[in-house]
Amino acid sequence: GQQLNQSPQSMFIQEGEDVSMNCTSSSIFNTWLWYKQDPGEGPVLLIALYKAGELTSNGRLTAQFGITRKDSFLNISASIPSDVGIYFCAGQKNSGNTPLVFGKGTRLSVIA
Amino acid sequence: GAVVSQHPSWVICKSGTSVKIECRSLDFQATTMFWYRQFPKQSLMLMATSNEGSKATYEQGVEKDKFLINHASLTLSTLTVTSAHPEDSSFYICSARVPGIATNEKLFFGSGTQLSVL
Repeated sequence: GQQLNQSPQSMFIQEGEDVSMNCTSSSIFNTWLWYKQDPGEGPVLLIALYKAGELTSNGRLTAQFGITRKDSFLNISASIPSDVGIYFCAGQKNSGNTPLVFGKGTRLSVIA
Repeated sequence: GAVVSQHPSWVICKSGTSVKIECRSLDFQATTMFWYRQFPKQSLMLMATSNEGSKATYEQGVEKDKFLINHASLTLSTLTVTSAHPEDSSFYICSARVPGIATNEKLFFGSGTQLSVL
């Protein structure tokens, strides 16, 4: 099935540093989402984006829906140890019950 | 908030046996549920869309006779891995959306089932 191109694949950062990751697609998505997954758990929604150009924050997290609707980025500011996990972008082409397409994930490690 | 419960959390079985995984929406009725498979260090890949009262819609390359999906009620979908083999070992995750609400804030994932086939 289709996948989104997510980068970087993994990151090792010091506590307190900012983090940035992004997703790109060759096709347009009408919704972009960012999830975090802890080991042995299902993904948990962090931020949902519905309009091209939209910039949305959730605490230390900020995400943007690209103008072309083919990309999105997620920033985490002032990272803390509990930010450790795998972050996935996901796109949805249409509203309603259209399934999500996921990126390959960014594995974040925070060094205290 | 809405919760999706998935059971069991992990299962170990012998090759050739069948395994059933349950996905329940605990405080809402879900006419549609989604089943994903995730291999280690990989992304979630959609296997099928489970529709209450009708046949599931399978993604290309997913064997419907091997991965049986039953969505007999508005709160329960089951995935049965028939005649499991070691290559079926994976993390299986379901998701469900609160009906009538199109936004993705109301799409919830189960906690996943780790299947290990010996």
